[in-house]
Amino acid sequence: QQQVKQSPQSLIVQKGGISIINCAYENTAFDYFPWYQQFPGKGPALLIAIRPDVSEKKEGRFTISFNKSAKQFSLHIMDSQPGDSATYFCAVRAGANSKLTFGKGITLSVRP
Amino acid sequence: DAGITQSPRHKVTETGTPVTLRCHQTENHRYMYWYRQDPGHGLRLIHYSYGVKDTDKGEVSDGYSVSRSKTEDFLLTLESATSSQTSVYFCAISGQGSDEQYFGPGTRLTVT
Repeated sequence: QQQVKQSPQSLIVQKGGISIINCAYENTAFDYFPWYQQFPGKGPALLIAIRPDVSEKKEGRFTISFNKSAKQFSLHIMDSQPGDSATYFCAVRAGANSKLTFGKGITLSVRP
Repeated sequence: DAGITQSPRHKVTETGTPVTLRCHQTENHRYMYWYRQDPGHGLRLIHYSYGVKDTDKGEVSDGYSVSRSKTEDFLLTLESATSSQTSVYFCAISGQGSDEQYFGPGTRLTVT
């Protein structure tokens, strides 16, 4: 059973546009929802994360929106740039230092 | 990469041979994790450690063992490598009570 599902599977966006990636989960015990960014040949890097006590968190051009009742959270990238082209993973976790469960990842391509 | 190194970075080995991958951290973090990354599967947890000599299994632990004799080192051993273990392996670390996991640069392992 897949605990976290990402959509879409891939995304192509024009420079300056908005990229939106969604993640759905099942277990209401999850208490931490990060997004990781990975460039080819590199390890995943934490991009932004949210806890369920807030509905939105913004860091620069990156925003997480969290919908607790729908058990969904999404990553919005404003003013998308070619340098944002990467693979993005959502993840979920239940409790500090417990394991992260990752989505399968989506590849974002930002066209110049 | 948050003071994490992995060695080797690339390895080609034959089916049936034992292989050991090393993760070394300079952050003195208590928690260490081994993940594998495969196309279409995202990142999956193999084993993790919550202290020296304290380890536990993840979701894809069959065929793998781990050891942690020092805080800074976490070893992953493939007891008898199989072609299905061809993958990219990532180590991650996390501090006590911390939300964030930081990933190393990865080891690309090919089993022929």
